[in-house]
Amino acid sequence: NAGVTQTPKFQVLKTGQSMTLQCAQDMNHEYMSWYRQDPGMGLRLIHYSVGAGITDQGEVPNGYNVSRSTTEDFPLRLLSAAPSQTSVYFCASSWTGLAINEQFFGPGTRLTVL
Amino acid sequence: DAKTTQPTSMDCAEGRAANLPCNHSTISGNEYVYWYRQIHSQGPQYIIHGLKNNETNEMASLIITEDRKSSTLILPHATLRDTAVYYCIVRVAIGNAGNMLTFGGGTRLMVKP
Repeated sequence: NAGVTQTPKFQVLKTGQSMTLQCAQDMNHEYMSWYRQDPGMGLRLIHYSVGAGITDQGEVPNGYNVSRSTTEDFPLRLLSAAPSQTSVYFCASSWTGLAINEQFFGPGTRLTVL
Repeated sequence: DAKTTQPTSMDCAEGRAANLPCNHSTISGNEYVYWYRQIHSQGPQYIIHGLKNNETNEMASLIITEDRKSSTLILPHATLRDTAVYYCIVRVAIGNAGNMLTFGGGTRLMVKP
């Protein structure tokens, strides 16, 4: 199993550009989520999904969209990039949305917005 | 979810036990204690979790005080690869409310040769 994979590893955008961060998992997990981590800080939840076709907002959803058309994939879209979105983005998955389940994290995407 | 307090940083000699404390004095009866760690530039990694009994797995042991207001993560024989930021997280285990893990500042553990 590859676990949770994320692409790209690094990305530089100009203000106002849009892009999609890809996340995929091959563990048949129902629950997937996106976090961002700013330098020296903990992780903050952006959006999450408890199954295909179901998404919801986390702690810091503004400026981001998500969709979940398949169990495996959970892309994160930046609609109009801003310097404040410079961060490291982590995707995570677990069997269900129950907190008791261990979350598996991807390697992260390092995004810089100029 | 209950708030947690951890020391900002700790050092440990290689081969010795690393004991990482966490204070969660406002924990409620249905909240579990979770530990994750984040090795530099990588995604967080689950270590262990518990409710009120002590727990052990291949990575670590978790000791929870009887009043559940604090806990200690023990890495029995720390290696250089255990150098990481360790996060103590407290939250309820049931309910499909986003499975959000609230990561605070964590403890930066430096294992030294």
